[in-house]
Amino acid sequence: DAGVIQSPRHEVTEMGQEVTLRCKPISGHNSLFWYRQTMMRGLELLIYFNNNVPIDDSGMPEDRFSAKMPNASFSTLKIQPSEPRDSAVYFCASSFRGEDTIYFGEGSWLTVV
Amino acid sequence: GQQVMQIPQYQHVQEGEDFTTYCNSSTTLSNIQWYKQRPGGHPVFLIQLVKSGEVKKQKRLTFQFGEAKKNSSLHITATQTTDVGTYFCAGRRNAGNMLTFGGGTRLMVKP
Repeated sequence: DAGVIQSPRHEVTEMGQEVTLRCKPISGHNSLFWYRQTMMRGLELLIYFNNNVPIDDSGMPEDRFSAKMPNASFSTLKIQPSEPRDSAVYFCASSFRGEDTIYFGEGSWLTVV
Repeated sequence: GQQVMQIPQYQHVQEGEDFTTYCNSSTTLSNIQWYKQRPGGHPVFLIQLVKSGEVKKQKRLTFQFGEAKKNSSLHITATQTTDVGTYFCAGRRNAGNMLTFGGGTRLMVKP
């Protein structure tokens, strides 16, 4: 299996621009997670989907952040407009049934200048 | 809400020394998982503990789950430079609940 695939791996963008991060979960997994990692705040869960339906988005920082999962094999995390404090590594992860081991993608390293 | 705390935040050791990281939950857990993240990498699953008092070993790594299922530890014997990284515990309160990650312990090993 190819694992969780994220794109882009690295993105540098200017403040105010829209950023879209993409994720393809492991085939057959029905739970998908978006995490954000910074030195200050560690690993934070932003949103969690089960069977393509958002279950818990309480970790989404504010309205500038939105996430979608139009089908079982694709999800996006969008930041609009982006701000320097959004600079972080964004991990997508998936699991089967939401109860088992979580498999992380390699992350999208975002820098907003 | 559920909180999972890890100590220490950072640990420098000389190669060959032992290392331990501790994980404490504010609530009783149904299970606990441990992950390792290498510098520049992503968290990778190491192990899951489910039973009260459970002890599991992976080569030089020993994982324990407390009797009350509220704390856990990871002990590395005779650290090597390949052990460098951040070790996260992640606890689940009930089956089907979300995993809550601890803040991680960053291990640095001096050769």
